[in-house]
Amino acid sequence: GAVVSQHPSWVICKSGTSVKIECRSLDFQATTMFWYRQFPKQSLMLMATSNEGSKATYEQGVEKDKFLINHASLTLSTLTVTSAHPEDSSFYICSVPGQVLNQPQHFGDGTRLSIL
Amino acid sequence: ELKVEQNPLFLSMQEGKNYTIYCNYSTTSDRLYWYRQDPGKSLESLFVLLSNGAVKQEGRLMASLDTKARLSTLHITAAVHDLSATYFCAVDIFGGSNYKLTFGKGTLLTVNP
Repeated sequence: GAVVSQHPSWVICKSGTSVKIECRSLDFQATTMFWYRQFPKQSLMLMATSNEGSKATYEQGVEKDKFLINHASLTLSTLTVTSAHPEDSSFYICSVPGQVLNQPQHFGDGTRLSIL
Repeated sequence: ELKVEQNPLFLSMQEGKNYTIYCNYSTTSDRLYWYRQDPGKSLESLFVLLSNGAVKQEGRLMASLDTKARLSTLHITAAVHDLSATYFCAVDIFGGSNYKLTFGKGTLLTVNP
């Protein structure tokens, strides 16, 4: 069964609104989760590493004030796209590290965000 | 900066044929992964390669890793239409306090009847 649950799967909203995406680890506690963004026909790019109980670590070029990450519990991380604009439209995917070192990351089903 | 290069980026092949996708990376790493992505879907893990000379096979797909050459291959044997998808290799590097994945650009595979 699924290891990671991501919601919503699809969001369409107006420019200027904020959108929250949830990522839940279903089978085990995760002190770390990852958030990726994938533009059409492109690869996945790591946006940030979500750390339970502390600040997220953002990759170079990712605006921390625009992409707010909260990892308030060992099973839930949220990504909020604040004041979203059409250029933020993308496929956002979260992942949880394998429970054992060297296991592959478990990916959520992704959230397709469309900003009008 | 770690670079992961895949080729080809686009591959159109006939059913029954064989082909190989290549993945080169620029920094020493002992952890390489292959994923499959269907249109509009998330990623499905195919292989985990952890050591030099590692070879894994699942059905018509076989992956190998040469850490000295910093090269991994994904070999497709007797392709079938169901294999049509985008295939990504990804390299795991320890940076800061965590391992982080860097993905190749992906290979869009189309298998034609």
